[in-house]
Amino acid sequence: GENVEQHPSTLSVQEGDSAVIKCTYSDSASNYFPWYKQELGKRPQLIIDIRSNVGEKKDQRIAVTLNKTAKHFSLHITETQPEDSAVYFCAAIGSWGSQGNLIFGKGTKLSVKP
Amino acid sequence: DTAVSQTPKYLVTQMGNDKSIKCEQNLGHDTMYWYKQDSKKFLKIMFSYNNKELIINETVPNRFSPKSPDKAHLNLHINSLELGDSAVYFCASSQGTANTEAFFGQGTRLTVV
Repeated sequence: GENVEQHPSTLSVQEGDSAVIKCTYSDSASNYFPWYKQELGKRPQLIIDIRSNVGEKKDQRIAVTLNKTAKHFSLHITETQPEDSAVYFCAAIGSWGSQGNLIFGKGTKLSVKP
Repeated sequence: DTAVSQTPKYLVTQMGNDKSIKCEQNLGHDTMYWYKQDSKKFLKIMFSYNNKELIINETVPNRFSPKSPDKAHLNLHINSLELGDSAVYFCASSQGTANTEAFFGQGTRLTVV
């Protein structure tokens, strides 16, 4: 089955700096890679996703890159702000029975210091 | 107009009890899920339910059983609760099972004492 590895587990940056979170996956058939943000005590919410026919996608201060050959994808946050502080999860679709299901990485706790 | 709603938000119960968590989605999605988030924040899939087909994560104890009265509901029933069951349980839904966003409920914090 699909296995998603995520690094680092914690990341602390100064406000205004960039933050990068990296993930690798094992199932070469995976073709959908979302990123979720979970604020303290809240539900995970999608912030950006990328499909395998695209190498990069950007939405304002966040961007995601995908390297299918190497089976890794990354989240980039520029000009970080204190409200970016949260746990970020990468995910990939893993084949599971006759269905695909989101398999999550273990999360990265991002702290942005004012 | 909450998209995915769970009840209760908090649940404190004693070991050995049986409890249920309810989940409803009003998005018209055909797939629903249950995830467990432990104290280390790991999000682990427990069940996936699509078109009446149930996929069970083999690591989930059979004390856990999902029940779906209709496409908009997927409830989680837990028998003989144990201390290790303490966690936050998230319900989620999506349209289809691949390449689509999963929408999460607000979570149910279960504490077994």
